[in-house]
Amino acid sequence: EAQVTQNPRYLITVTGKKLTVTCSQNMNHEYMSWYRQDPGLGLRQIYYSMNVEVTDKGDVPEGYKVSRKEKRNFPLILESPSPNQTSLYFCASSLGTQETQYFGPGTRLLVL
Amino acid sequence: GQSLEQPSEVTAVEGAIVQINCTYQTSGFYGLSWYQQHDGGAPTFLSYNALDGLEETGRFSSFLSRSDSYGYLLLQELQMKDSASYFCAVENRDDKIIFGKGTRLHILP
Repeated sequence: EAQVTQNPRYLITVTGKKLTVTCSQNMNHEYMSWYRQDPGLGLRQIYYSMNVEVTDKGDVPEGYKVSRKEKRNFPLILESPSPNQTSLYFCASSLGTQETQYFGPGTRLLVL
Repeated sequence: GQSLEQPSEVTAVEGAIVQINCTYQTSGFYGLSWYQQHDGGAPTFLSYNALDGLEETGRFSSFLSRSDSYGYLLLQELQMKDSASYFCAVENRDDKIIFGKGTRLHILP
């Protein structure tokens, strides 16, 4: 089944404790993105990747890192999480930038 | 700056037709997409317009006017399951994807 998976789905952590949210897709897509969704603000792009080893900042990259060592994986790293990073995070992938984006199920993060 | 404007909420009656508008301002424009998101779920793709005009997919249609930087999503024969949030999105010339803040569609029986 074609899909985007994210793990974990739910995470409670404390300020400053490094964490990684994994994202994997099995559709051989080149374009991958991370978004955060906050009430009233819609989806905001954090980082995106056009292909392996190519990543770029989206609209809200501060406090986040990503890597794209393999085509299928695009992990999101929070080196030192803060409470303002409490949010719902979605990973998405597509064949290209003008193609349909397929979203993962989301990761709900609470930073205390 | 870059922005997409869409109404925050729309209410309609089951069986009726509703239109959700989206105006955009971006650096470069390739096309307008629409996504649906049910509560607790992930966004799912509905439609994409790269050229002016109307695209129809079943009960849903989407329209684009590039000269007006405007598009809309039209939902016909509304069903209760259409109660969801709807987002418009554009890709700019930097390959970033910008989403609107979403329109919450309430459907009354």
